[in-house]
Amino acid sequence: SQQGEEDPQALSIQEGENATMNCSYKTSINNLQWYRQNSGRGLVHLILIRSNEREKHSGRLRVTLDTSKKSSSLLITASRAADTASYFCATRPLTGGGNKLTFGTGTQLKVEL
Amino acid sequence: DARVTQTPRHKVTEMGQEVTMRCQPILGHNTVFWYRQTMMQGLELLAYFRNRAPLDDSGMPKDRFSAEMPDATLATLKIQPSEPRDSAVYFCASGLGPGTSGAEQFFGPGTRLTVL
Repeated sequence: SQQGEEDPQALSIQEGENATMNCSYKTSINNLQWYRQNSGRGLVHLILIRSNEREKHSGRLRVTLDTSKKSSSLLITASRAADTASYFCATRPLTGGGNKLTFGTGTQLKVEL
Repeated sequence: DARVTQTPRHKVTEMGQEVTMRCQPILGHNTVFWYRQTMMQGLELLAYFRNRAPLDDSGMPKDRFSAEMPDATLATLKIQPSEPRDSAVYFCASGLGPGTSGAEQFFGPGTRLTVL
């Protein structure tokens, strides 16, 4: 079953604007990861944030984590047409499960020229 | 350029036929995951191996699906007999584990299965 729920399901913005996607989850986590999927391709890992971290940056990506609210957000700044893809959050459980991840439902981002 | 490979990339078959999907994990990775992605259900974990041993296959329909790792360079997912509801994209992913440092998963390009 899907642990993560992304919001919004779909997002359309103009190139140069910022895109924010949110993820909510249900159980305690070890870490939360964001992945990107281009149409017809496999998922690509973007960034990982651990449960004791609140914010992390990587290039134009900024991820926040609020474990009290069981939520995370992914911000893509100065978006480009090439950022058009689906974005998924994935959670690793705090206990048990090894490196097993549970993926959310995804946000489809469209960046228009 | 290390990457996960999957074969075949596309498979069209008729209901009742056996389907075998293959995955070559990244050399040195000791964990392998099989996922199924559909529009309705999203991305579902089917099976999870570490050091070639199955750790979790609770997401896999046991009556028709089976997953194995004959050796460290090959993982297989078999459906017998296949049904139209099995139509989906099947992804293999590999990684290192256990431990947080090895939490990232590397995905293959997927096998798009259509069962008529």
